[in-house]
Amino acid sequence: DAKTTQPPSMDCAEGRAANLPCNHSTISGNEYVYWYRQIHSQGPQYIIHGLKNNETNEMASLIITEDRKSSTLILPHATLRDTAVYYCIVRPYTGGFKTIFGAGTRLFVKA
Amino acid sequence: NAGVTQTPKFQVLKTGQSMTLQCAQDMNHNSMYWYRQDPGMGLRLIYYSASEGTTDKGEVPNGYNVSRLNKREFSLRLESAAPSQTSVYFCASSGLAGKSGELFFGEGSRLTVL
Repeated sequence: DAKTTQPPSMDCAEGRAANLPCNHSTISGNEYVYWYRQIHSQGPQYIIHGLKNNETNEMASLIITEDRKSSTLILPHATLRDTAVYYCIVRPYTGGFKTIFGAGTRLFVKA
Repeated sequence: NAGVTQTPKFQVLKTGQSMTLQCAQDMNHNSMYWYRQDPGMGLRLIYYSASEGTTDKGEVPNGYNVSRLNKREFSLRLESAAPSQTSVYFCASSGLAGKSGELFFGEGSRLTVL
């Protein structure tokens, strides 16, 4: 599985958009980009995923560059409850059992 | 639905003791996983089971054994616990048709080895 690179930490003001970048320059054609978040020491929670088109759901938007070598997770109106560690991973839609989680980005949302 | 259930949630062991962490999922998923997370670190894959009846090593399998008891259950056993195995252990599952890539995690089992 391809590896990803994320900044270790980011700050965001409450109510503003949080833009979390991820580099995945070695992504394969059959690999999707997935985002998860982990609040405190709870189990990671799925946020969103995409292949090559931009995706949006009730939690966030995912922007994937045309060459698919990087992506950005957007939390449109960050709240204090969005303070968490965000993980960007790549894996095939089927198989890809050895998914590698890096250290993620620790997002601090400040009042 | 309960999703992924792990037991116990907390456990303290002495060095050399053995124990089994239990994991069950009620989502009819084919694949199950065990991860460990040390303080301030990401998740590292210990073992996974792609489907019922199969298990394979992940990144850090030494000191652990697993059993895929049936489609629902995947257990992790520490035969002789060591302080280096102090960690939070997460079980996950995936493989529902149409959402194969999405991982669903349990709430974690916090293990301390003295």
